[in-house]
Amino acid sequence: SQQGEEDPQALSIQEGENATMNCSYKTSINNLQWYRQNSGRGLVHLILIRSNEREKHSGRLRVTLDTSKKSSSLLITASRAADTASYFCAGGSGQNFVFGPGTRLSVLP
Amino acid sequence: DAGITQSPRHKVTETGTPVTLRCHQTENHRYMYWYRQDPGHGLRLIHYSYGVKDTDKGEVSDGYSVSRSKTEDFLLTLESATSSQTSVYFCAISEGAGRTEAFFGQGTRLTVV
Repeated sequence: SQQGEEDPQALSIQEGENATMNCSYKTSINNLQWYRQNSGRGLVHLILIRSNEREKHSGRLRVTLDTSKKSSSLLITASRAADTASYFCAGGSGQNFVFGPGTRLSVLP
Repeated sequence: DAGITQSPRHKVTETGTPVTLRCHQTENHRYMYWYRQDPGHGLRLIHYSYGVKDTDKGEVSDGYSVSRSKTEDFLLTLESATSSQTSVYFCAISEGAGRTEAFFGQGTRLTVV
């Protein structure tokens, strides 16, 4: 069964707007990771937040983690057309990562 | 991209034939993974390896086997390909397993006809 579940499944915004994607997970994790996938390509790691952290920033990315609710959010500020991609959360636990189905983000110019 | 190479990148095969996909890394990472990606399912773990000759099953391992005889190579074999195994297959590596990030190959698109 899948660890992560992203919400929404698809998101369409205008360039310059902020994009927020949410992720829920089911079991305990060491960390929560976000990945990006451009069409036809492999996944690229964006950011990792550990289970004892609540918020983390990297450039235009802001990730929050609420372990009591087993949820995380990824905020992309001032979006660009180049941010168009699918975004996946993954729970890191033990020897594995378990991925959700992803959110497809379209940023319109 | 991290030093991960998947081969082949594309393959079309017939039902019932065996197929082997190769993942090669130059990062000397201990952990290697095979995932399949299908619409609406995200990535699902097939098998993973935590060292040479050390492998374990993932969520969707039926019909697949793996081997790792060297640190740098992780092979995925479809013993008798079926149409349900048509998918995009990704190899990933990690230095610290679930405690650290994973690096992905470019994927192999496999079509079973």
